[in-house]
Amino acid sequence: QQQVKQSPQSLIVQKGGISIINCAYENTAFDYFPWYQQFPGKGPALLIAIRPDVSEKKEGRFTISFNKSAKQFSLHIMDSQPGDSATYFCAASPTSGTYKYIFGTGTRLKVLA
Amino acid sequence: DAGVTQSPTHLIKTRGQQVTLRCSPKSGHDTVSWYQQALGQGPQFIFQYYEEEERQRGNFPDRFSGHQFPNYSSELNVNALLLGDSALYLCASSLKAAGDQPQHFGDGTRLSIL
Repeated sequence: QQQVKQSPQSLIVQKGGISIINCAYENTAFDYFPWYQQFPGKGPALLIAIRPDVSEKKEGRFTISFNKSAKQFSLHIMDSQPGDSATYFCAASPTSGTYKYIFGTGTRLKVLA
Repeated sequence: DAGVTQSPTHLIKTRGQQVTLRCSPKSGHDTVSWYQQALGQGPQFIFQYYEEEERQRGNFPDRFSGHQFPNYSSELNVNALLLGDSALYLCASSLKAAGDQPQHFGDGTRLSIL
């Protein structure tokens, strides 16, 4: 029940295309969902985060879509660029009680030039 | 504005030894969390420190311990190292121990156990 399932494991997209990464959770106590981007040799960098009181949040080319009833959320990267090639992690956390982030297993994105 | 800094960047130890990793949080942050990231996996929560006390703990044995200092910096100690402890150890800081506070990560310490 503490898991966050992330798919796909890897993704190859053409430059200018849309990259879509999906995550699912079971624990209804989760109510904060951040996405992180990680380049080789670097720590994860926060991209965007969402609370379940909204169904979508957009920041630049990055959009989170959230489906509370299905307990699923996804990251959309519009107009994908070669510089977006990295590993992406979704995470989930309760906002009361325990505050630890539970991370997905990651998606390795490669954007072809 | 300095982000989260961790030291050392790389470390090689042998089985049975002890290691101490250090973390300075982002300016203005008061909470430090530690994560272990095995190769090809997502970060796994070890524990979180706030007000110099361990507030939350993940599924890690007592060989993993930590400390937070009055200036909010933190140390992670691992005793009796095992081969399986080889990983990237990440420190993340946030403002107050709350689930909806974004955590900012350092670049980690790569620990290799021989």
